[in-house]
This record gives sequence, C-alpha cells and structure tokens, in this order.
Amino acid sequence: DAKTTQPPSMDCAEGRAANLPCNHSTISGNEYVYWYRQIHSQGPQYIIHGLKNNETNEMASLIITEDRKSSTLILPHATLRDTAVYYCIVLKIQGAQKLVFGQGTRLTINP
Amino acid sequence: NAGVTQTPKFQVLKTGQSMTLQCAQDMNHEYMSWYRQDPGMGLRLIHYSVGAGITDQGEVPNGYNVSRSTTEDFPLRLLSAAPSQTSVYFCASSYSPRGWGYTFGSGTRLTVV
Repeated sequence: DAKTTQPPSMDCAEGRAANLPCNHSTISGNEYVYWYRQIHSQGPQYIIHGLKNNETNEMASLIITEDRKSSTLILPHATLRDTAVYYCIVLKIQGAQKLVFGQGTRLTINP
Repeated sequence: NAGVTQTPKFQVLKTGQSMTLQCAQDMNHEYMSWYRQDPGMGLRLIHYSVGAGITDQGEVPNGYNVSRSTTEDFPLRLLSAAPSQTSVYFCASSYSPRGWGYTFGSGTRLTVV
C-alpha cells in the first residue's frame, strides 16, 4: 500500500474552512484514499473516501489532484468539536484490507 | 443502540496474568479487527477477521490470540500479560473490509504492572 505524508499539526479558527493535506505520491491506480479522525481518547471515526473524483458528504469534502499524488480533506465550517487527529490512509481496492494508521495530523480549532 | 461494544473499559493486570477483552457488534458486520494504541502513537493492527471462523494476523500479533465463532463477537485474549502490552485497545467492525465505514468501539484501557 502507498505511503502517506501528513503535517504533524495544524491550527484553524472556528468557523473557517480547515484544509488538511495528504501526500501519497506512490499511489497506484487501484488504491483509494480514506480519511478517519480520532477525537481525544475515542475510537477513530470514518469521514470520507475517494478514488479519483472529488467527494462530498455531510461531514467533509475530499479533493484529489488529477495525478492522484495528493489530496485535501476540507471541513467547510470548522467547530471546536472538530479538534482531533486526522488520518489519511491509502488502501488497495481488492481483497481484505488492513486499515493501517500513521501518525496523522493533529488539528486544533481555536475559538 | 447499534454499534461496537467493548468490555471492560478499564483493566489492571499483573504481569503473567491472562485475560480476554470482549468485543461485540450488532450490525451484522462480517469484518472485525483489533487495534492497540500506545501514548502519542497511531493505531496498530493486532488481528482481524473477515468472517466467522476466519482470522488472520495484523502488524503486532505476538502475545495475543483471537477466535471468531460468531459474526457478533470477536474476543481478544492476552495469554501472559507483559508491561509492554499496556495500551488502549480498540475493536472495529465493518460491512466491508475495503477501508470505509469502519465503526470503532470506545476502547479498553489496559495497564499491566
């Protein structure tokens, strides 16, 4: 599975859009990009995933570059409850997958 | 409420003791897995199961056993607890093993002294 690189920490003001980058330059054509987050001491929470098209759901938007080497998770109107560690994960489409978490980005939403 | 239930929430063991961490889900998910999370680190996969009667090892399986006799339950057994197994343990389940839509339990905080 492709390796991902994320900044260790980011800050964002409450009410503003939070843009979390992820680099996955070795991604192959049969690998999806997944995003999870972990709010302090809780189990991780699934946010969104995508292959090559941009995706949006009630929680966030996922923008994947045309060459698929990087992506950005966007929280459009961040709240204090969005303070968490955000994990970008790349996995192959086929077969049983092992969801492997890296260090992630610690996002702090400031009032 | 539908979800993943882990018990106990907290446990203190003495070195050499054995115990079983329980995990149950009521969503009829085929795929279940166990992770451990050490302070300041990401989650590491211990064991996983793609259905009743089928289990496989993850990144850090040593010292742990699992079995999957029913779709609902996926217990994790510590054979002989060691201080290095002090961690927070999370169980997860998913309809698909493909990476999306995993539901995690609230965790078991284990301390081995």
